[in-house]
Amino acid sequence: DGGITQSPKYLFRKEGQNVTLSCEQNLNHDAMYWYRQDPGQGLRLIYYSQIVNDFQKGDIAEGYSVSREKKESFPLTVTSAQKNPTAFYLCASREDLQETQYFGPGTRLLVL
Amino acid sequence: KNQVEQSPQSLIILEGKNCTLQCNYTVSPFSNLRWYKQDTGRGPVSLTIMTFSENTKSNGRYTATLDADTKQSSLHITASQLSDSASYICVVSLGGGSYIPTFGRGTSLIVHP
Repeated sequence: DGGITQSPKYLFRKEGQNVTLSCEQNLNHDAMYWYRQDPGQGLRLIYYSQIVNDFQKGDIAEGYSVSREKKESFPLTVTSAQKNPTAFYLCASREDLQETQYFGPGTRLLVL
Repeated sequence: KNQVEQSPQSLIILEGKNCTLQCNYTVSPFSNLRWYKQDTGRGPVSLTIMTFSENTKSNGRYTATLDADTKQSSLHITASQLSDSASYICVVSLGGGSYIPTFGRGTSLIVHP
C-alpha cells in the first residue's frame, strides 16, 4: 500500500519544548516538502529536500529544523524558537514525471 | 513576485447545482497548473493538471480550463454533491527546473442539501 504517512495526527507542545513531526513515504520519490497551513492562508513552505542528505530553507524556516538521512523519511523538528507553532503541518513528496505533489494526512500541533 | 489569486474566498451552493471557481496567476515562466481538493483536516489531493498547451481537462464532474494568455484558470463542478464540500486550491509551478510551486489560498466550498 503505497503512500505518505505522518504521525502523530495531533501533537501538544509545552512552552520551551522541541517536538518532532514524522513523515515517511514509500513512493520512491526523491523530493520531499514540509508546509505549514494556518486558517484562511495558503500553504507556506518551511523546508524542502530534493535528495538525501540535502535540504533547503523555504519561506518560513525560522524556528524549524529538518534532516534527510534516508530517502523515505523527512522529519521536522519544531524548536522552542518558533513562538507561534500552532498550525496544521503537511508533508509532501513529489513524483518526477508530472511533478505532482502527494500530501500526507497532516499533523495538527497545539501549544499547551 | 509570483502570485496565485483565487476567487471567491468562499462559496455556498445547493446540492445538485453547478459552480465555477477562479484562479489568476502571475507565475512566470509557467510550467503547469494544478487544482487540488482538500477536505477539512486532511491533506490536499490532486484533481487535475494542465500544461501550457492544454485548454481543458476533466476528472469526472470536475472540469478545469486554462487560458495561458490571460493567465487565468477555472474549475467547474457539475451537479454538486455534499462530498464536494472542501477547500479547492490552485497551484502553479514554475518552469526552468524550479521545484517550488506557488499555492493559492483556496476557495472554501460548502454544498447544502
